[in-house]
Amino acid sequence: DVKVTQSSRYLVKRTGEKVFLECVQDMDHENMFWYRQDPGLGLRLIYFSYDVKMKEKGDIPEGYSVSREKKERFSLILESASTNQTSMYLCASSLSGLAGSSYEQYFGPGTRLTVT
Amino acid sequence: KNQVEQSPQSLIILEGKNCTLQCNYTVSPFSNLRWYKQDTGRGPVSLTIMTFSENTKSNGRYTATLDADTKQSSLHITASQLSDSASYICVVSARTRGDSWGKLQFGAGTQVVVTP
Repeated sequence: DVKVTQSSRYLVKRTGEKVFLECVQDMDHENMFWYRQDPGLGLRLIYFSYDVKMKEKGDIPEGYSVSREKKERFSLILESASTNQTSMYLCASSLSGLAGSSYEQYFGPGTRLTVT
Repeated sequence: KNQVEQSPQSLIILEGKNCTLQCNYTVSPFSNLRWYKQDTGRGPVSLTIMTFSENTKSNGRYTATLDADTKQSSLHITASQLSDSASYICVVSARTRGDSWGKLQFGAGTQVVVTP
């Protein structure tokens, strides 16, 4: 079974703090993703990584950065947390395949972040 | 505008009854469509996946249909159980040349509540 774990289920931070969200997968997947999920909206892609030290911006990268130093670990960084970053953050991983293919993404349990 | 629209936003059904959820999409070129189930406080878990050539797929009491001509999909839940209470998310993948991960477009989800 694929397992994607996230470092915290719940997190409360103050405005302006630097926040690290960690994600680890144990299936040797090449691709890893960070999404945020807000009520009434679908999941929105923040960043993804297709290899160690490689990253690509998703649809809403502003205010976020990422780090992938090891294949199994993908970190999301909020350099200076703001209240509008209060959300559920979901990490996912998937295999890499032929161009245009779409392998299933396996999701972690999520981190509910509150910025006060 | 979201390229994946789901209806209804929420519904309440009695245990043992059937229900059908709808998904309309405009994603093009189409690669595949998945239905995910997301329990409260958990990450989404894949229920079914259908490619262009498939028009129905079952997973236990869940049956998904796809009409690629009208760009519509439905998820039918038979003989609902209390454990079916969750958000059901329609996810459509675009067939994109040059990348190996297939960008996903997420619907906002339908919240299903099964009551005794």
